Amino acid sequence: QSALTQPASVSGSPGQSITISCTGTSSDVGSYNLVSWYQQHPGKAPKLMIYEGSKRPSGVSNRFSGSKSGNTASLTISGLQAEDEADYYCCSYAGSSTFVVFGTGTKVTVL
Amino acid sequence: QITLKESGPTLVKPTQTLTLTCTFSGFSLSTSGVGVGWIRQPPGKALEWLALIYWDDDKRYSPSLKSRLTITKDTSKNQVVLTMTNMDPVDTATYYCAHRGGGSGSYFDYWGQGTLVTVSS
Repeated sequence: QSALTQPASVSGSPGQSITISCTGTSSDVGSYNLVSWYQQHPGKAPKLMIYEGSKRPSGVSNRFSGSKSGNTASLTISGLQAEDEADYYCCSYAGSSTFVVFGTGTKVTVL
Repeated sequence: QITLKESGPTLVKPTQTLTLTCTFSGFSLSTSGVGVGWIRQPPGKALEWLALIYWDDDKRYSPSLKSRLTITKDTSKNQVVLTMTNMDPVDTATYYCAHRGGGSGSYFDYWGQGTLVTVSS
């Protein structure tokens, strides 16, 4: 099972919107609407931001939204803020045997 | 309030076996639907899922590491143990344990702080 493909970096100015893509295959992203997204600040544990494709856990800003088309999932951050600067990882369910596969990670920079 | 904390050696030698313990609170691994997983992250690299154990003792392993991993639980102690054999310097990473989320259970909603394990002679 190969890692999901994400862009290495994405940047934007405060207030702008950015989108991070996450490309998998028909065995993972394409087969299930079960992509989750995690935010990780340096030296910290990952934090769940989106689950089951588009659901936000309690306490996560509605500036974060998730979607999917075919084998590609996306995370959109609107109204970009300095605190959003972090690494972001997607993760997809890949069946009962493999369970999940993570993405390669994207560094978000707020200019 | 759900919390998890990893513990174990910070340094292991090549070929040795690594044993990590995840001690948690705020939930029980005897409750239907509950699961605890292990994920690792080499320095400067991406997250990698390793293993998952369910409340009913069902287990899942990363296909690429399956031959080297064993995950077990001690419900009475609220602990999950991960064993990885034949450690190599490429296994140097921060190892996290995490609580499997509800509903589809396809995500991790609570994470431990992680523990850095270095493999070196």
